[in-house]
Amino acid sequence: EIVMTQSPATLSVSPGERATLSCRASQSVSSNLAWYQQKPGQAPRLLIYGASTRATGIPARFSGSGSGTEFTLTISSLQSEDFAVYYCQQYNNWPLWTFGQGTKVEIK
Amino acid sequence: QVTLRESGPALVKPTQTLTLTCTFSGFSLSTSGMCVSWIRQPPGKALEWLALIDWDDDKYYSTSLKTRLTISKDTSKNQVVLTMTNMDPVDTATYYCARTTLVGATTQPLDYWGQGTLVTVSS
Repeated sequence: EIVMTQSPATLSVSPGERATLSCRASQSVSSNLAWYQQKPGQAPRLLIYGASTRATGIPARFSGSGSGTEFTLTISSLQSEDFAVYYCQQYNNWPLWTFGQGTKVEIK
Repeated sequence: QVTLRESGPALVKPTQTLTLTCTFSGFSLSTSGMCVSWIRQPPGKALEWLALIDWDDDKYYSTSLKTRLTISKDTSKNQVVLTMTNMDPVDTATYYCARTTLVGATTQPLDYWGQGTLVTVSS
């Protein structure tokens, strides 16, 4: 099983600032990496797939990068609606997909 | 417009079998490349992928749970059913169904999710 490790567990950021979230895979997942946003009481929402492609309707302030084992999600200027938990997921090892443990982005 | 909705009991007793139904619209599971997965999330914890069924009726299960899971589909009803046997309090979680697609040999992420259904395991 491919283990996904996210850091940090919690990120405290002020509105308008940049947030950088990391995700590491225990073995290469190529670019088959997705990021999801989850707000309390809601289902996860797909933000980024293919490591760097924004899903439909996702604002340009969200960007993803990386390949292989190291990935980054950047939110360029945090808006109030961006405070949430973010999960990375590898979908390279079909279909034994695995998720990271999540990074909570909270208001500083 | 793609939608998915999970249904099933909110409370089950230990050792019982859980049966959940995912009813979807906006796509057909008889279309080549279409797949539906189940994922769960214990309260305050991370997401865990459980099972997947594809358009060709191929079925895949989490390695750690495969002896307890069965996934099936009813294409005419646009439904996917997950059963989990021998439920335990540690199985208390919100259970989600979600869609993904296979484009050629390229897998895609989970692009549409249901709102989830909370299942509590308690006597």
